[in-house]
Amino acid sequence: GEDVEQSLFLSVREGDSSVINCTYTDSSSTYLYWYKQEPGAGLQLLTYIFSNMDMKQDQRLTVLLNKKDKHLSLRIADTQTGDSAIYFCAERRMGSSNTGKLIFGQGTTLQVKP
Amino acid sequence: DAGVIQSPRHEVTEMGQEVTLRCKPISGHDYLFWYRQTMMRGLELLIYFNNNVPIDDSGMPEDRFSAKMPNASFSTLKIQPSEPRDSAVYFCASSPGLLSYEQYFGPGTRLTVT
Repeated sequence: GEDVEQSLFLSVREGDSSVINCTYTDSSSTYLYWYKQEPGAGLQLLTYIFSNMDMKQDQRLTVLLNKKDKHLSLRIADTQTGDSAIYFCAERRMGSSNTGKLIFGQGTTLQVKP
Repeated sequence: DAGVIQSPRHEVTEMGQEVTLRCKPISGHDYLFWYRQTMMRGLELLIYFNNNVPIDDSGMPEDRFSAKMPNASFSTLKIQPSEPRDSAVYFCASSPGLLSYEQYFGPGTRLTVT
């Protein structure tokens, strides 16, 4: 199939870690991305990972990539109320007709409770 | 850098009217994308351009929608005539291309057709 799949909702307590999961379909995908969308705003690029990497860390964010299972995750350490948003994963697929195009998941709403 | 600029931010119009949405991409970016976001359908890619040339317009809903990019710093998305089901948030994004093809989104235009 063509879909990038994400669970729709995640609720955590402030200070806990959040893990948002994503599965993608194309083994030839080269880059995978995480975007954050706050209410009333556009999508903000958080981070991306090249498909030959297993892990990428950037401050409180850790991205893990399991190419065998086509599974991508975003871990947010010490989750804050300001992290409440919708998180989208996306993949860039190879193929002459798809250069430049990203395939987005449906988004995971993260709710952080104080 | 000012980021991707979209105008207007909000548009309310009556069914049957023509609507024009505008986008200024980040300077130097070779790719420009138009997306539509609704609760029901999520984020949909409508069309994208590379070096001002439309590459993939398979997401454009129907002939009522048209998009142009007359130069590297400006694009329009036009709906004529508009219908209530066109109500959505329309995002423009741009990308430098190169290796990672990350996209940078504008703040969106919220369109309401009554």
